[in-house]
Amino acid sequence: DGGITQSPKYLFRKEGQNVTLSCEQNLNHDAMYWYRQDPGQGLRLIYYSQIVNDFQKGDIAEGYSVSREKKESFPLTVTSAQKNPTAFYLCASSSHLGTGGNTEAFFGQGTRLTVV
Amino acid sequence: QKEVEQDPGPLSVPEGAIVSLNCTYSNSAFQYFMWYRQYSRKGPELLMYTYSSGNKEDGRFTAQVDKSSKYISLFIRDSQPSDSATYLCAMKFGGYQKVTFGTGTKLQVIP
Repeated sequence: DGGITQSPKYLFRKEGQNVTLSCEQNLNHDAMYWYRQDPGQGLRLIYYSQIVNDFQKGDIAEGYSVSREKKESFPLTVTSAQKNPTAFYLCASSSHLGTGGNTEAFFGQGTRLTVV
Repeated sequence: QKEVEQDPGPLSVPEGAIVSLNCTYSNSAFQYFMWYRQYSRKGPELLMYTYSSGNKEDGRFTAQVDKSSKYISLFIRDSQPSDSATYLCAMKFGGYQKVTFGTGTKLQVIP
């Protein structure tokens, strides 16, 4: 089955630690995205990558880092510089629409990160 | 003012009812409009997308875009308990631009 796999499902981080969230897709999509979801705020874009070895900051990139060494993988590191990391993190990839655009059509099941 | 406004609900309806979910937006440059369904503790799934104004139907779901009023709607006919979820509207300017999401409306369909 094609899809996006995020791991782990739940993650606990101590103050001052860096943690890395995994995102793998077997859909052969070029573009991948990381979002953060907080209650009452909807989804906010952290980073995105349109192609291997290239990525761009989204709206809330501070305190996060990413890499895109392989088409299938787009890991997100939440660094100690991120002051409020407790949230639900979602990875997505985009597919081509018939109208000439693309959109985040596939999401992973998310990683819930909690700072303890 | 947020770019996309969506009533958070919760919205409770009896099984079989017609549900209307709505979003308003402020930027007339948005061209692509999407609706996602998100079950509790899961990732969103794309339900429908529309380019520009008009209606689009898929089974029990109808998406409607009124660009003149900057208003989009999702109608669910014959609602089922399995439709209970949070529905997110989303939109983007061009084909390869970033998506702006609404905050979601929580829907509960009561058997």
